[in-house]
Amino acid sequence: GESVGLHLPTLSVQEGDNSIINCAYSNSASDYFIWYKQESGKGPQFIIDIRSNMDKRQGQRVTVLLNKTVKHLSLQIAATQPGDSAVYFCAEKVSNFGNEKLTFGTGTRLTIIP
Amino acid sequence: DAGITQSPRYKITETGRQVTLMCHQTWSHSYMFWYRQDLGHGLRLIYYSAAADITDKGEVPDGYVVSRSKTENFPLTLESATRSQTSVYFCASLTGLGNTIYFGEGSWLTVV
Repeated sequence: GESVGLHLPTLSVQEGDNSIINCAYSNSASDYFIWYKQESGKGPQFIIDIRSNMDKRQGQRVTVLLNKTVKHLSLQIAATQPGDSAVYFCAEKVSNFGNEKLTFGTGTRLTIIP
Repeated sequence: DAGITQSPRYKITETGRQVTLMCHQTWSHSYMFWYRQDLGHGLRLIYYSAAADITDKGEVPDGYVVSRSKTENFPLTLESATRSQTSVYFCASLTGLGNTIYFGEGSWLTVV
């Protein structure tokens, strides 16, 4: 079946450095990709998204890159801060005649080292 | 406050009991979802609903029942709770036009 997965389960980054979290997907029909951040004891929070017809999208300190050739998605966080410590999930969405479904990867735990 | 709220936030129940987790959203979003989150499995879709009175199974629907009589409410019922249903449950909603799914804060359920 189709799946969305993450390359690394944990990542530690020095405060102030940049971090990159990677994600592989297998469903070529996915038309939308989203990154979520989940802090301990809370629900996932939307960070940034990208449509399948785009290669790059930038937000505040975050950039998402999409490489459809190798079905790879990445989240770059610039100048990391302690508040960036969380679990990050990539998700893909396939719109099928009005049926909206979001499939999540298993998550990467990002730890920012002071 | 506007948003999506879940209740109860924490629940301990015994095997075999019926449990209902409530979800309420104030945005009038068309789509609503129930996910469970377990270590090593990430977020898995249990059921979703495209509109009132329209529901469909997700990845792991067995042992769960949902209803959607009103757009703003999407309760999830465990008819006879089992220990394997110990998990964190997240409700979420999505507009019919948008692509961002908003999550509730979660309901921690322990079945003993």
